[in-house]
Amino acid sequence: AQSVTQLDSHVSVSEGTPVLLRCNYSSSYSPSLFWYVQHPNKGLQLLLKYTSAATLVKGINGFEAEFKKSETSFHLTKPSAHMSDAAEYFCVVSDYANDYKLSFGAGTTVTVRA
Amino acid sequence: GAVVSQHPSRVICKSGTSVKIECRSLDFQATTMFWYRQFPKKSLMLMATSNEGSKATYEQGVEKDKFLINHASLTLSTLTVTSAHPEDSSFYICSAVQPRDFNNEQFFGPGTRLTVL
Repeated sequence: AQSVTQLDSHVSVSEGTPVLLRCNYSSSYSPSLFWYVQHPNKGLQLLLKYTSAATLVKGINGFEAEFKKSETSFHLTKPSAHMSDAAEYFCVVSDYANDYKLSFGAGTTVTVRA
Repeated sequence: GAVVSQHPSRVICKSGTSVKIECRSLDFQATTMFWYRQFPKKSLMLMATSNEGSKATYEQGVEKDKFLINHASLTLSTLTVTSAHPEDSSFYICSAVQPRDFNNEQFFGPGTRLTVL
């Protein structure tokens, strides 16, 4: 079975400081991993994805994530937070054993202080 | 590319009525679409997988007679909430997969906010 655990339900940072959102996954097979962002009352936007290529994945808006198989982690980082980064972030896993259905983490709410 | 739309974006209805939500892939043909439900400040819960030309596959605990799904064409799937009640109020999101995408990346619609009075 596949699952995702987002270790922080809420992260608060000051504008211009680094952001770290932690995610651990469980998958019996080679997983695909995604980070999505959701702004209030909006749909989901893909930030980045890992699909068995390079372990360090760069996404949009300055975000990046590193796939660490030994730690079963896929943490999301950004060097310098912007006010527009305030949103809900979801770590997502899928694998072929589950018909590529997506399993979502519980989400991390990011607030950015001016 | 890979744009998915939903209509309506917001709907308010009376208890006991039925509501239809449309999900369209605008620039690609989607043989598979998914329907999710999201409660306030919660994560997305997969409701069903919609396959063009065949019956939808529902996740455990989702009432198929309550949530009717039709995938009549390669660009359109509909979710009908029948005899809606206040507990059906939620944010409904669809997604679509491009054919021959071995990564099976899902492209999400903007969501539909349903409020049942």
